[in-house]
Amino acid sequence: AQTVTQSQPEMSVQEAETVTLSCTYDTSESDYYLFWYKQPPSRQMILVIRQEAYKQQNATENRFSVNFQKAAKSFSLKISDSQLGDAAMYFCAYTVEETSGSRLTFGEGTQLTVNP
Amino acid sequence: GAVVSQHPSWVICKSGTSVKIECRSLDFQATTMFWYRQFPKQSLMLMATSNEGSKATYEQGVEKDKFLINHASLTLSTLTVTSAHPEDSSFYICRAASGGWTDTQYFGPGTRLTVL
Repeated sequence: AQTVTQSQPEMSVQEAETVTLSCTYDTSESDYYLFWYKQPPSRQMILVIRQEAYKQQNATENRFSVNFQKAAKSFSLKISDSQLGDAAMYFCAYTVEETSGSRLTFGEGTQLTVNP
Repeated sequence: GAVVSQHPSWVICKSGTSVKIECRSLDFQATTMFWYRQFPKQSLMLMATSNEGSKATYEQGVEKDKFLINHASLTLSTLTVTSAHPEDSSFYICRAASGGWTDTQYFGPGTRLTVL
């Protein structure tokens, strides 16, 4: 079974600084997809960034980037120039493509605090 | 962008009553709906997957007779918590998908259920 592990229950960062959230996963699949989701206090799940396993290039979305290490099964999220609005719970997630909607397996989450 | 709505956003009910939660995809056809349950400070746990016109597939440990899921149309899925008890109090989130991982996959804003 696929598992996703986030070993940092809580992280904090100073505003404008950079923070990295860790995620590891276990799978026997060779082709899969990884995601980082943000859940702010409103609890609305928001897709931050996604990565296809077959792509070697790390995905980036503005201040958010990932470090995807396929051999190590590691998928960390880097947030640059942290802003107060980045404070949220962050979930790493994994899926393989299925014909009728892909199931997401989530990690335990990392609560990020941004200090002014 | 695509929007998924849930109704109600919060509900309080007495123990023993049934509660229905609606999940609607507002601008796309959702062939698959996923229902999650989230306890405070925890991750999302998949309860069941439903495909339009078919019976839902429940995760191990989820009582299908207690959590009734209907996906009668491509834009609406409902979760009914029957004979609710205080331990059913939780945050329920739906996710709508129109195909594989590359297609639209959006989360609803969630429903907070409190059973007295």
